[in-house]
Amino acid sequence: GESVGLHLPTLSVQEGDNSIINCAYSNSASDYFIWYKQESGKGPQFIIDIRSNMDKRQGQRVTVLLNKTVKHLSLQIAATQPGDSAVYFCAENTPPTGRRALTFGSGTRLQVQP
Amino acid sequence: NAGVTQTPKFQVLKTGQSMTLQCAQDMNHEYMSWYRQDPGMGLRLIHYSVGAGITDQGEVPNGYNVSRSTTEDFPLRLLSAAPSQTSVYFCASSYNAGGETQYFGPGTRLLVL
Repeated sequence: GESVGLHLPTLSVQEGDNSIINCAYSNSASDYFIWYKQESGKGPQFIIDIRSNMDKRQGQRVTVLLNKTVKHLSLQIAATQPGDSAVYFCAENTPPTGRRALTFGSGTRLQVQP
Repeated sequence: NAGVTQTPKFQVLKTGQSMTLQCAQDMNHEYMSWYRQDPGMGLRLIHYSVGAGITDQGEVPNGYNVSRSTTEDFPLRLLSAAPSQTSVYFCASSYNAGGETQYFGPGTRLLVL
């Protein structure tokens, strides 16, 4: 079946550097994408979202880029901090064709080195 | 608002036992769902509900039952627990199912021996 996947299971960066977490999706019908952050022992926390009619969306220190041509999604974190250490999931929503839920990737662990 | 709450936080069961994982939200969200998260994997949808009285199966529904008698509550029942159901379970809710952001509870960690 169609799925969302991630290129790198673990990303290690130095504090203060910028981080880029990548995600590939295979369902071209997906129209909404979300990045979640999950800290150890906690539930996923919403970071930022983007709809398929956009290429870029910025939040506070985070930017999501969407390339529909190659079905690629990325999360950029500026000036990465130790508190950013977590597992990051991308998720996609496909317009109702019987399923009304998000499809999650397997996650990327971000480790921030002080 | 408390958001999405789940109880218990941790539970140990023996094979064949039954239990109910509780989920409640106070945001008046129509859409609620249950996911399981296994090590090294993303979240997989078990069951979901688009409103009181309406439920449907997700990706991995076998071994689980749900009901939605009120907007606020969406319990997940394991009728006969199996070791394969050892996992972390997350409940989520959103205003509607139309691609809106889902808010997750803190999770229930379940160990089936």
